[in-house]
Amino acid sequence: EPEVTQTPSHQVTQMGQEVILRCVPISNHLYFYWYRQILGQKVEFLVSFYNNEISEKSEIFDDQFSVERPDGSNFTLKIRSTKLEDSAMYFCASSEDRISSTDTQYFGPGTRLTVL
Amino acid sequence: AQSVTQLDSHVSVSEGTPVLLRCNYSSSYSPSLFWYVQHPNKGLQLLLKYTSAATLVKGINGFEAEFKKSETSFHLTKPSAHMSDAAEYFCVVSGSGTYKYIFGTGTRLKVLA
Repeated sequence: EPEVTQTPSHQVTQMGQEVILRCVPISNHLYFYWYRQILGQKVEFLVSFYNNEISEKSEIFDDQFSVERPDGSNFTLKIRSTKLEDSAMYFCASSEDRISSTDTQYFGPGTRLTVL
Repeated sequence: AQSVTQLDSHVSVSEGTPVLLRCNYSSSYSPSLFWYVQHPNKGLQLLLKYTSAATLVKGINGFEAEFKKSETSFHLTKPSAHMSDAAEYFCVVSGSGTYKYIFGTGTRLKVLA
């Protein structure tokens, strides 16, 4: 069964450094998402992406964040200058279409980001 | 604005006994509702989804959920717990012109032998 994969599983970085989190969505999916979960808190939506454009973003997704689909398979989340409060589990998801809002999003296992 | 509330952060059941994980939602429109499960070091896996076609939704691994509009609830049940059901369960709502998911805080299910 096709799966969303994410690398690395755990990333440790120093405050102020740039990090890139990588995701490989399911191959025929067209819509891509990033969510994050700070320890002990809810999973929160960050951004959705379609046709090489951001289609929706939350207030969390400020200028420090960017997303890109650099090739036909990868989907990346970049944090330019990490802060301590960026420490969280980051989940990538993809979905096939958006004919209705019941379209299922398939999630990866997550990348745990620790900012020191 | 949409939201979901998972009423229990932890639930413990004995193997072979019923499971009930509670979820209440708030939505101005007819919502789309989902239950996801996360096993340790795994991604979020879809258990079931409510599509407005039927109020009783059957999912994988013997789970089901009933959409009750009058109670704004979407509780997850299973008649008989198995050790492999031990995991974290998330209730999710989406819809109303947005495709983003709004998650509940999660319920950690423990199954006792």
